[in-house]
Amino acid sequence: GQNIDQPTEMTATEGAIVQINCTYQTSGFNGLFWYQQHAGEAPTFLSYNVLDGLEEKGRFSSFLSRSKGYSYLLLKELQMKDSASYLCAVRAYGGATNKLIFGTGTLLAVQP
Amino acid sequence: DAGVTQSPTHLIKTRGQQVTLRCSPKSGHDTVSWYQQALGQGPQFIFQYYEEEERQRGNFPDRFSGHQYPNYSSELNVNALLLGDSALYLCASSRGDRGGNEKLFFGSGTQLSVL
Repeated sequence: GQNIDQPTEMTATEGAIVQINCTYQTSGFNGLFWYQQHAGEAPTFLSYNVLDGLEEKGRFSSFLSRSKGYSYLLLKELQMKDSASYLCAVRAYGGATNKLIFGTGTLLAVQP
Repeated sequence: DAGVTQSPTHLIKTRGQQVTLRCSPKSGHDTVSWYQQALGQGPQFIFQYYEEEERQRGNFPDRFSGHQYPNYSSELNVNALLLGDSALYLCASSRGDRGGNEKLFFGSGTQLSVL
């Protein structure tokens, strides 16, 4: 089976750094994605990891360890607009190329 | 360049009715996936269409069906609506059988309420 775990909620302060963790168990791993979703809006792509290591993109970075089934999303210099749900999603081999299995999402609240 | 568009944005139905949701993929995309997102949950994969055929299906009953047209647009049909079908229905498009880091582009969704 496939299972993805991430914290339900997190709170952080404007200007700070926050790390959102994601652990997964899948039968056949073919990439991990992070999406941001504001309330009532579509999920938007943030990052993609398929090999171990850190991918940096501006204020956002994502890390992957395939042997540990673990990823994190790092958000730096937090802004109020970063308040949103952050979805971890795993793509597995076989069947539909872009079928993603999503976690329940981590609702991040950025406070002044 | 238009992104993924979905219609309608909101819909209210009663139990037992049928509903059709529509999606136009991003320009240049030929693959459409449908997801159901219940409140406070992550999106759940319903099915994917490529070359006008259902390529893979998630754990959803036969009441959920779909179609893809030659212009790559797609419909999601749900028959015999249940209260539990109330959710945000997301359409996502991508480019075919390319593997790699082909990311999904999501539409803003259709919020379905079943009363």
